[in-house]
Amino acid sequence: SQQGEEDPQALSIQEGENATMNCSYKTSINNLQWYRQNSGRGLVHLILIRSNEREKHSGRLRVTLDTSKKSSSLLITASRAADTASYFCATDSPYSGGGADGLTFGKGTHLIIQP
Amino acid sequence: SQTIHQWPATLVQPVGSPLSLECTVEGTSNPNLYWYRQAAGRGLQLLFYSVGIGQISSEVPQNLSASRPQDRQFILSSKKLLLSDSGFYLCAWQISSTGELFFGEGSRLTVL
Repeated sequence: SQQGEEDPQALSIQEGENATMNCSYKTSINNLQWYRQNSGRGLVHLILIRSNEREKHSGRLRVTLDTSKKSSSLLITASRAADTASYFCATDSPYSGGGADGLTFGKGTHLIIQP
Repeated sequence: SQTIHQWPATLVQPVGSPLSLECTVEGTSNPNLYWYRQAAGRGLQLLFYSVGIGQISSEVPQNLSASRPQDRQFILSSKKLLLSDSGFYLCAWQISSTGELFFGEGSRLTVL
């Protein structure tokens, strides 16, 4: 079953606006990661936040993590047309024996930036 | 630097035909390797993972199989494809220290 669920499923905003996507998960985690996927391409890792971190920044990206609510958010500031893509959250599990059994992905948020 | 290659990029196959998708990684040794499938408009489903040569773990029962004949080679196969096997197949390798995944460009399979 899906561990992470992104919200909203789709988001359309004007270029220059900020985009916020949310992710909820069900079980305890070691870390949470966000990935981006351009149409028809592989996923690209964006940012990782550990379970003992609350906020992390990378360029125009800001990720928050609330382990008490089992939720995370990804904020993209000053959006650009090139940010149009699907965004996925992914979690590992502290019970996965070192994480070798991979990550569990949500269904993604499809973000469209209108020029 | 590490790179990951997948082929073929696109494949159209009739029901009942065999399948072989190949993935190779360069620039790293003994990587954890993964096959995911992405159905249209859906998230990623983990199919198989491997922590070493000849070591394959399956996450879901299906008519697909995986093999790892060499350290940096991961193959996804089927003897007889079903319509439900259509999808976008992604190979990935993992950085052990952080759990980050690096994905190939994917193989789009259409079964007719």
